[in-house]
Amino acid sequence: EIVLTQSPGTLSLSPGERATLSCRASQSVSSSYLAWYQQKPGQAPRLLIYGASSRATGIPDRFSGSGSGTDFTLTISRLEPEDFAVYYCQQYGSSPNTFGQGTRLEIK
Amino acid sequence: QLQLQESGPGLVKPSETLSLTCTVSGGSISSSSYYWGWIRQPPGKGLEWIGSIYYSGSTYYNPSLKSRVTISVDTSKNQFSLKLSSVTAADTAVYYCARLGGVRGIAAAGTGWFDPWGQGTLVTVSS
Repeated sequence: EIVLTQSPGTLSLSPGERATLSCRASQSVSSSYLAWYQQKPGQAPRLLIYGASSRATGIPDRFSGSGSGTDFTLTISRLEPEDFAVYYCQQYGSSPNTFGQGTRLEIK
Repeated sequence: QLQLQESGPGLVKPSETLSLTCTVSGGSISSSSYYWGWIRQPPGKGLEWIGSIYYSGSTYYNPSLKSRVTISVDTSKNQFSLKLSSVTAADTAVYYCARLGGVRGIAAAGTGWFDPWGQGTLVTVSS
């Protein structure tokens, strides 16, 4: 099973700033089969990125994903108030599908 | 627009079986392009994949839960269902159903990204 470790656990930033979230895998994720999700309190997760760098339908271009192998990054170029939430990465390169433990992005 | 909706009891007694159904609307569950899956999230914690199913009935389970999980599909009702047996307090969670994208070959069966998700339903295990 591939274990995903996200860092930092909590990230405190202000609107307008740039956010960089990390997801590290315990072994290489084949073909960059990695996704990112955003979850707000009381809501289901929402797909942001799949295939490490492809934005899902309707996702603003301030969200971008990069990386390969064992190291992946989600970048939010300029934070909007609605971006403060918990973010999860997920690998689907091999079974079982696994998720990282999440990064909480909070308003500074 | 595809929508998924979970339904089932919100309270289950320890040692009993948790049963949930996911109803798909706005699209067919019989599409050859997707799997359908269940994910859970204990209160205040992270996400755990439970299992996936193809419209043909082929199933794929998380090894950590495999001995207790059964997922089935009813294409005539556009629904798929989850049964989790011998539940304990550790199974208390919000249970989500979702469609899996990125279907690939047999070697990667049951894997994919999750989109869209149902709203989730809280199941509490307590006597």
